[in-house]
Amino acid sequence: GESVGLHLPTLSVQEGDNSIINCAYSNSASDYFIWYKQESGKGPQFIIDIRSNMDKRQGQRVTVLLNKTVKHLSLQIAATQPGDSAVYFCAENTGFQKLVFGTGTRLLVSP
Amino acid sequence: EPEVTQTPSHQVTQMGQEVILRCVPISNHLYFYWYRQILGQKVEFLVSFYNNEISEKSEIFDDQFSVERPDGSNFTLKIRSTKLEDSAMYFCASSGDNNEKLFFGSGTQLSVL
Repeated sequence: GESVGLHLPTLSVQEGDNSIINCAYSNSASDYFIWYKQESGKGPQFIIDIRSNMDKRQGQRVTVLLNKTVKHLSLQIAATQPGDSAVYFCAENTGFQKLVFGTGTRLLVSP
Repeated sequence: EPEVTQTPSHQVTQMGQEVILRCVPISNHLYFYWYRQILGQKVEFLVSFYNNEISEKSEIFDDQFSVERPDGSNFTLKIRSTKLEDSAMYFCASSGDNNEKLFFGSGTQLSVL
């Protein structure tokens, strides 16, 4: 289930740093966005979601920010840990759970 | 924690052969999906299924593809005559009655030779 990282943007951080992963979406009518984490050999794992009537939503160590004006989404991970190393995808729900995934960002966390 | 399970984890087949990929969604979920991920590319939507019928399908999901929920627990994807370009990781997913949070399985890696 791993995306080959030949062309994936990569974010390298040190353990304990905060990470910010960005995503641009295309459909201004999309009203629901989700961040997924994909570890090697596994399927996408739900992290956090946000509806278009919100600008910010917080979870455990994660925050999603939504800027509808510029159609931009970001995932912030606080105190990044080695276990956070994975490929992160944003996805927009274009209708009836037809998710359109972004290309993904590989997060590498060094101890 | 409940999870979506998929079998087999790897499937190798000859071009032109039929394959069936199997999934057991989370037991109380009502919405079922197949997605695929070609090596190095994005995860792509194939089909959604609810109330024993297809709700939506993508351009990829042509006449060679079909889905079925043969009993109360399994959800299958059949590819009637596989092509080389069908080689990909196929993910099954399900969601509950809020039809929002999708839970994905670990995928079946299909290799068509």
